[in-house]
Amino acid sequence: KAGVTQTPRYLIKTRGQQVTLSCSPISGHRSVSWYQQTPGQGLQFLFEYFSETQRNKGNFPGRFSGRQFSNSRSEMNVSTLELGDSALYLCASSFSQGDTQYFGPGTRLTVL
Amino acid sequence: GQSLEQPSEVTAVEGAIVQINCTYQTSGFYGLSWYQQHDGGAPTFLSYNALDGLEETGRFSSFLSRSDSYGYLLLQELQMKDSASYFCAVMNTGFQKLVFGTGTRLLVSP
Repeated sequence: KAGVTQTPRYLIKTRGQQVTLSCSPISGHRSVSWYQQTPGQGLQFLFEYFSETQRNKGNFPGRFSGRQFSNSRSEMNVSTLELGDSALYLCASSFSQGDTQYFGPGTRLTVL
Repeated sequence: GQSLEQPSEVTAVEGAIVQINCTYQTSGFYGLSWYQQHDGGAPTFLSYNALDGLEETGRFSSFLSRSDSYGYLLLQELQMKDSASYFCAVMNTGFQKLVFGTGTRLLVSP
């Protein structure tokens, strides 16, 4: 079974731009979570989607948003990029809420 | 809320045994997970403990004591490829997100 895939793998943007990241979960998994990883803050939860509904959101500004499609694929969007948004963005999928989460390779975002 | 504490770094030599501890504070507990992450890579699931005791998976074992809010990951017969960061994580009360520890960087030397 194929693992979690994320596109693109690397992205360079400038301040003020917006970006959309994509995540395809493991086949059959309906829950998708997004995390931000930085050296200073570690792994921080962004939001979680289950059956196209956002079930929980972390402590991030409204510039961070996401959605999930009927095939469980998910996207996250960051608008008005700031230098501090430079990070590894990880997507994780699980069969259902509370089940073991499996991570994708991440998208490395650099904001200049 | 939840908080987890781990040592920041552990060093060991090939063939040795190392234990990485994790203490947690949480208002609702549904299990402790361990993930491995190599530099530049994604976290990889290693083990999950929902009940007290030891879970063994090959060279890796994980232990949980819910009464002590404590767990550990035990790595045996260390190999150079085990050099990585190891994170413990708990699922929050609403089954909606993983809260990760600060991570332990394991350095294995020849």
